[in-house]
Amino acid sequence: GEDVEQSLFLSVREGDSSVINCTYTDSSSTYLYWYKQEPGAGLQLLTYIFSNMDMKQDQRLTVLLNKKDKHLSLRIADTQTGDSAIYFCAESMDTGRRALTFGSGTRLQVQP
Amino acid sequence: NAGVTQTPKFQVLKTGQSMTLQCAQDMNHEYMSWYRQDPGMGLRLIHYSVGAGITDQGEVPNGYNVSRSTTEDFPLRLLSAAPSQTSVYFCASSNSRTSGGYYEQYFGPGTRLTVT
Repeated sequence: GEDVEQSLFLSVREGDSSVINCTYTDSSSTYLYWYKQEPGAGLQLLTYIFSNMDMKQDQRLTVLLNKKDKHLSLRIADTQTGDSAIYFCAESMDTGRRALTFGSGTRLQVQP
Repeated sequence: NAGVTQTPKFQVLKTGQSMTLQCAQDMNHEYMSWYRQDPGMGLRLIHYSVGAGITDQGEVPNGYNVSRSTTEDFPLRLLSAAPSQTSVYFCASSNSRTSGGYYEQYFGPGTRLTVT
């Protein structure tokens, strides 16, 4: 079955790097995503990675995918207070449904 | 474009009451879906639609009905609200594959529902 797991909380100091981790169980995932949710708001797509890639970099964001261990990580360089939010990893497999399976979210707290 | 809009933002219901959560998108997206978000859990798919007149069940459909009479609107109906339906509800839409090959889903701001 589908299962996506994340740690619940991460606290970092402003300027440090943040690494948010995610594990998934279904090896047939085609795309893996990172979404950001700010307080009281909907989810915003941050970045994605296709399952045949190992790494993707997008400005301050680096996504690493280890397919063997079914492990996905999101690294935020030079973390800012504006990065404080909940970060969800998600996977999609059934492209017909376009449904996403989400992890429980990691709350990132950035201390000044 | 307004994107995906949801109304109301907040709602309190008594057990047994019915109501409809509204969702609309102005991007001409064919795919729309409803998720619920509970504390400490990720979003779970309730129902989805791949086009006007076509709907199907997601992971947690019990207690909810949907219909899709137009491309723009995808309302979610609670026929007899229960405290277990207290949650934040998100509507999302997506269209054709992006140049990156994936479907980007656009989320509305959510409706926070409390059932007492």
